[in-house]
Amino acid sequence: GPKVLQIPSHQIIDMGQMVTLNCDPVSNHLYFYWYKQILGQQMEFLVNFYNGKVMEKSKLFKDQFSVERPDGSYFTLKIQPTALEDSAVYFCASSSGNTGQLYFGEGSKLTVL
Amino acid sequence: AQSVTQPDARVTVSEGASLQLRCKYSYFGTPYLFWYVQYPRQGLQLLLKYYPGDPVVQGVNGFEAEFSKSNSSFHLRKASVHWSDWAVYFCAVSLNYAQGLTFGLGTRVSVFP
Repeated sequence: GPKVLQIPSHQIIDMGQMVTLNCDPVSNHLYFYWYKQILGQQMEFLVNFYNGKVMEKSKLFKDQFSVERPDGSYFTLKIQPTALEDSAVYFCASSSGNTGQLYFGEGSKLTVL
Repeated sequence: AQSVTQPDARVTVSEGASLQLRCKYSYFGTPYLFWYVQYPRQGLQLLLKYYPGDPVVQGVNGFEAEFSKSNSSFHLRKASVHWSDWAVYFCAVSLNYAQGLTFGLGTRVSVFP
């Protein structure tokens, strides 16, 4: 079936550094999402992105977060600077927008020391 | 705002026994509803989805779910559980196709011989 790829699968960085998480969504999908999951907890919506713009974001999407998809390449989540509480698994998802179904990647585990 | 409640954080079941996972939603209108499964160290995979229509929905791996508008529920069932069903199951509701999903806290299913 359709695949969403995420790079890296795991990244360890020091607090205050910048990190970029990359997502290769399902081709021809139009809507892109980032979710955050702290170990053992539920998936929480961060942001969605359509037509080059952020459509909606949650209160978890702090000012240090940004997303973009330059020229149809990777859909990225950038955190600058990182904080300890940013340690989590970040899941990217994409959707065609026709059915409500989201396709998820396998997650990028971020550890902030 | 829409919400999803999964009242059982953990369920333990014997292999071959039946399984029911409960999900209640709060939503004004008729929602799109989903069950996703998360196997250890993996991303989310869609089990089944409900769009307005037949209230009983068949999914993969022998799972089915029943939508009840009167009870605001979307319970997941499986007649005979296999050890490979050991995972976390998330119920989710979609406001519309653009705004992504709101997840429940998840139910962790453990299967024992």
